[in-house]
Amino acid sequence: QQQVKQSPQSLIVQKGGISIINCAYENTAFDYFPWYQQFPGKGPALLIAIRPDVSEKKEGRFTISFNKSAKQFSLHIMDSQPGDSATYFCAAMTDQAGTALIFGKGTTLSVSS
Amino acid sequence: GAVVSQHPSRVICKSGTSVKIECRSLDFQATTMFWYRQFPKQSLMLMATSNEGSKATYEQGVEKDKFLINHASLTLSTLTVTSAHPEDSSFYICSARTGTSRNEQFFGPGTRLTVL
Repeated sequence: QQQVKQSPQSLIVQKGGISIINCAYENTAFDYFPWYQQFPGKGPALLIAIRPDVSEKKEGRFTISFNKSAKQFSLHIMDSQPGDSATYFCAAMTDQAGTALIFGKGTTLSVSS
Repeated sequence: GAVVSQHPSRVICKSGTSVKIECRSLDFQATTMFWYRQFPKQSLMLMATSNEGSKATYEQGVEKDKFLINHASLTLSTLTVTSAHPEDSSFYICSARTGTSRNEQFFGPGTRLTVL
């Protein structure tokens, strides 16, 4: 049973456009929702994360929107740039000690110049 | 953010040999380390969770005798792939959590294993 569902699988956006990636989760005990960016052959890097006590968090061009009642959260990349072309993973975890992140399947973003 | 290193970055070995991958937290003490495996164009799959000084907890379907994990210190965890076979070829990534940061996990750069 997949605990974190991510869509779309791939996304093509023009330079300057808005990239939107969505995730839905099932476990209401999750209380930490990060997004990771991964370039080919590299480990994932934390982009931005949110906790359920806020509905939105913004860091530069990256914004997370969180809907607790719908159990959904999304990543918005404003003014998308070719350098943003990468694979993006949403993830979730509980606050219990020793628990690991549960990852979505990933979205491959291509930003055309 | 905290830095996690992995060594080697890539390794090619013959079928039947064993390979050791090191994961180090460079500027913090990692109470918990995680090992993930990632196949091409797929997500990260958790293999095991290790806490310093105790036995690792393996995910369902991961052979503990094949993937030996040692977390001997607060800054070092090792993954040994024993009797490697071509189907073990993958990208192995470790991550670490500190004892103070509530949830944040810091990932290593990954190790590309190719078994011939």
